[in-house]
Amino acid sequence: QKEVEQDPGPLSVPEGAIVSLNCTYSNSAFQYFMWYRQYSRKGPELLMYTYSSGNKEDGRFTAQVDKSSKYISLFIRDSQPSDSATYLCAMNTGFQKLVFGTGTRLLVSP
Amino acid sequence: EPEVTQTPSHQVTQMGQEVILRCVPISNHLYFYWYRQILGQKVEFLVSFYNNEISEKSEIFDDQFSVERPDGSNFTLKIRSTKLEDSAMYFCASSDQVNEQFFGPGTRLTVL
Repeated sequence: QKEVEQDPGPLSVPEGAIVSLNCTYSNSAFQYFMWYRQYSRKGPELLMYTYSSGNKEDGRFTAQVDKSSKYISLFIRDSQPSDSATYLCAMNTGFQKLVFGTGTRLLVSP
Repeated sequence: EPEVTQTPSHQVTQMGQEVILRCVPISNHLYFYWYRQILGQKVEFLVSFYNNEISEKSEIFDDQFSVERPDGSNFTLKIRSTKLEDSAMYFCASSDQVNEQFFGPGTRLTVL
């Protein structure tokens, strides 16, 4: 079983839709959860950072962590064509190494 | 806004040659990292560096790889004898807290 699993997509939605992106993980020691956005051939850009279970909101983005189910989500409200990118989940135990999912490619059409 | 920078953006080299990838982390950050991403694959951890020494490394980071912080601003990754399979995007990252890691734009390494 992979440590972090993420559907590679692509996920295609119309502009204005609510987008739901998800990851599951197997290592119950993971405590810190991050979402990055990556445009083609660019570096990952940190969007959201959460610790343990619960929700965190930042503008149009909401991150959810359910540690009991080992499941994390990123919601994007009012999606825009500029949100078209690959979204990476990443996590660690509180030490330094980040473990990444494969990324979900999101396409938002005008 | 402070950002991580990397040079060069693209490096082409012949198999067996040495390459040095350079990074300037965010100035007040204390933790530095290298990751790589082979085309179409996930981002993979290589090494972390703190207080002038390696704090963690992956099994990818073998004797062909080394890291150095030669001065107060640069952080380098050296590959001594490149192989075809070293072709990838290499990302430098830095953090002041342990877990908010900020990534640079990457260096695309092509080994011929």
